[in-house]
Amino acid sequence: KAGVTQTPRYLIKTRGQQVTLSCSPISGHRSVSWYQQTPGQGLQFLFEYFSETQRNKGNFPGRFSGRQFSNSRSEMNVSTLELGDSALYLCASSLNVAGGQETQYFGPGTRLLVL
Amino acid sequence: DQQVKQNSPSLSVQEGRISILNCDYTNSMFDYFLWYKKYPAEGPTFLISISSIKDKNEDGRFTVFLNKSAKHLSLHIVPSQPGDSAVYFCAAIVNRDDKIIFGKGTRLHILP
Repeated sequence: KAGVTQTPRYLIKTRGQQVTLSCSPISGHRSVSWYQQTPGQGLQFLFEYFSETQRNKGNFPGRFSGRQFSNSRSEMNVSTLELGDSALYLCASSLNVAGGQETQYFGPGTRLLVL
Repeated sequence: DQQVKQNSPSLSVQEGRISILNCDYTNSMFDYFLWYKKYPAEGPTFLISISSIKDKNEDGRFTVFLNKSAKHLSLHIVPSQPGDSAVYFCAAIVNRDDKIIFGKGTRLHILP
């Protein structure tokens, strides 16, 4: 079974631009979660989508948004990029809503560099 | 306020010995705790979890211990192998929130 895929793998943008990242979950998985990883903050939860609905949202500004399509593929958008948005953005999928008994499978991530 | 803390940024352990990775938390409402392992340039891999109603869960070389009174959990790897060198993240969930909160990670080096 193919794993979680994320595109693009690497991205360079400049301040003020916007970016869209894509995530394709494992076939049959309906939950997609997004995380930001930075050296200073570690892994931080951005939001989770389940059946095209945002289930939960972390403590990030409104510049960070996402959506999920009917095929469970998800996109994350960051508008008006700031230098501090440079990070590894990870997507994870699970069969059902992420919880303690639900295993999440992570993609390889998209490394975003904002100049 | 950091709810999940991994106070050791790095740890070095001799191959064959026991690796003990520690994690402290502040929120007594956490229902589950999880450990993830991450290699460079790869996404985290789920390792093992424990429910807040248990104090121990074992899976092969990996054992997680939970001390609720101390709000502390630890991951034991016995025996440590070279492939265990990675960054380990501790994470916690409040089930009704379905939100995973991660620690900042501990880099484990297994020495030959």
